[in-house]
Amino acid sequence: EVRLVDSGGGLIQPGGSLRLSCAASGFTFRSYAMTWVRQAPGKGLEWVSSLTGIDDSTYYADSVRGRFTISRDDSKNTLYLQINSPRAEDTAVYYCVKQSAGSRWNYFDHWGQGTLVTVSS
Amino acid sequence: QSILTQPPSASGAPGQRVTISCSGSSSNIGTNTVHWYQQLPETAPELLLYSNNQRPSGVPDRFSGSKSGTSASLAISGLQSEDEADYYCAAWDDSLNGWVFGGGTKLTVL
Repeated sequence: EVRLVDSGGGLIQPGGSLRLSCAASGFTFRSYAMTWVRQAPGKGLEWVSSLTGIDDSTYYADSVRGRFTISRDDSKNTLYLQINSPRAEDTAVYYCVKQSAGSRWNYFDHWGQGTLVTVSS
Repeated sequence: QSILTQPPSASGAPGQRVTISCSGSSSNIGTNTVHWYQQLPETAPELLLYSNNQRPSGVPDRFSGSKSGTSASLAISGLQSEDEADYYCAAWDDSLNGWVFGGGTKLTVL
């Protein structure tokens, strides 16, 4: 059974930093593309970043490029999202998402439970 | 404003059929497949349909999808109270080199 457990959220001040983690199990982690999707309170879904399983290419939404970094540790079956220079508009629940195969365009087939990040001074 | 356009709300009585549209452009829906996600209240989204019209195991055949040109639609027949949820379409966008979502449609079962 595929399982994704998101953690690391919390209160962060503008200009601070935070690292989100996603512990994966139930599948061959290194072979799959992984993604972070966020949802601001009361709002819709917004794609944040993806990391492919075939060649470790990374992709970012314009709103976070240069501030967020996606990475993975295949030895720990863990996906990360490093958040730097956060802004109030980054406040959201962040979901770790497994894609159906290793490429960037493979659909999202499993979602974590989400972790809340609140940016406030 | 979302790249993919969905109606903000939809409704129907139990047993009825409802459809939810998703409009995009040549760089996303016009070129790539569309996927649909269901988000029940206070829960994480879940895959509902993939590759325009494919159902993952466990999804009832009351849910169906279609795509034509730069638009797609989700149809739900035999509406049930447990179908009350938010529904999102998504597709890869070749111009943005990233994923795009619709703004979501809140379905109410009357």
